Amino acid sequence: AQSVTQLDSQVPVFEEAPVELRCNYSSSVSVYLFWYVQYPNQGLQLLLKYLSGSTLVESINGFEAEFNKSQTSFHLRKPSVHISDTAEYFCAVIPYFGNEKLTFGTGTRLTIIP
Amino acid sequence: DTGVSQNPRHKITKRGQNVTFRCDPISEHNRLYWYRQTLGQGPEFLTYFQNEAQLEKSRLLSDRFSAERPKGSFSTLEIQRTEQGDSAMYLCASSFHSIFVSGANVLTFGAGSRLTVL
Repeated sequence: AQSVTQLDSQVPVFEEAPVELRCNYSSSVSVYLFWYVQYPNQGLQLLLKYLSGSTLVESINGFEAEFNKSQTSFHLRKPSVHISDTAEYFCAVIPYFGNEKLTFGTGTRLTIIP
Repeated sequence: DTGVSQNPRHKITKRGQNVTFRCDPISEHNRLYWYRQTLGQGPEFLTYFQNEAQLEKSRLLSDRFSAERPKGSFSTLEIQRTEQGDSAMYLCASSFHSIFVSGANVLTFGAGSRLTVL
């Protein structure tokens, strides 16, 4: 079984400041890793994913996440946030083999302060 | 392509009543998933279909829950004899490929159907 821990339920950040949203996972098998974003009153959207290869993955809107296998982490970062980044962010994993169930963390609500 | 559509968006019901939610996936997607999201929690897997076949059900899906996808297109999730603990956001998602075919599928989620049981 897999589990995902997002220790920070809420993160307030000033506009144009950097941010890091933490994600740690536990799994007895290798996993794919994802970050999903949920804007107010909208569905979950895939932000970025790690499948294999380079441990640093980037999204089109300036977010990046780095897979650290030894620390079983997949933290999400952005060097300068904007008001439009206000949303809830979910880290998720799915095992390489077996079921097709995404296991999500409890989410981190990112609030941008003008 | 209008994305994944879920109806109704909000449903308020009294305990003991039955409710049904509908999900219309992206038309060419053969996989359809249901997740449940309660307040302060991440989405939890309920069940998924490949075409009309229901391939897996979570233990969260008690006997009061039933999901169907009769023609491999839209799906319904019915909850019988609702309880207050059923209050949640019910999310539907669809994908074109299995994760194990494409390397990692991209689930497209709908906006969800929020259930409140009084």
